[in-house]
Amino acid sequence: GAVVSQHPSWVICKSGTSVKIECRSLDFQATTMFWYRQFPKQSLMLMATSNEGSKATYEQGVEKDKFLINHASLTLSTLTVTSAHPEDSSFYICSARDRVGGSNQPQHFGDGTRLSIL
Amino acid sequence: GENVEQHPSTLSVQEGDSAVIKCTYSDSASNYFPWYKQELGKGPQLIIDIRSNVGEKKDQRIAVTLNKTAKHFSLHITETQPEDSAVYFCAASKMSTLTFGKGTMLLVSP
Repeated sequence: GAVVSQHPSWVICKSGTSVKIECRSLDFQATTMFWYRQFPKQSLMLMATSNEGSKATYEQGVEKDKFLINHASLTLSTLTVTSAHPEDSSFYICSARDRVGGSNQPQHFGDGTRLSIL
Repeated sequence: GENVEQHPSTLSVQEGDSAVIKCTYSDSASNYFPWYKQELGKGPQLIIDIRSNVGEKKDQRIAVTLNKTAKHFSLHITETQPEDSAVYFCAASKMSTLTFGKGTMLLVSP
């Protein structure tokens, strides 16, 4: 149980393109999903917390107009990197927390999306 | 905010040996401490977690200990196997968001 699916797994696109990444909880409902960014050989850095039916909460230094987050249902959150540039190239990972059990339930992670901007 | 320190950054052991990874945290209000295993090109996978009302938890070859007074917690893997090779992250949480350590690359040699 507790499977999180992330799509696509790998994206290569030209500078200036917008890219959408999907995060789905397959066997549970998630009121809250999280988006992380991970550089090579580094830890996960939280970008934003995505709340179903409301606006996302962004961490300090993360541009909300650059990284658009939509959490329209209890099983789907999307991250759109708008007008992507080479410095946006990274490994983006989402996680989801089961709505049942409270705020300290485990976060379950997707397998990430490797974004390469040429 | 919370700060999590993790050591060592790399750990090499022989198959069958034990491996120990240690983390410290700064916020005494943190009450949930998960450990994740991340294989190359994959997302982190939860392997064990512990809450602040418990001092130790074990799941087969994996155990976690928590010392709330000292604000540190440790992951213990016994009888290591080559497939245990991966990057391991500790994390601390008090309400919702996780703060991760920098990770430990564990290499288990056959």
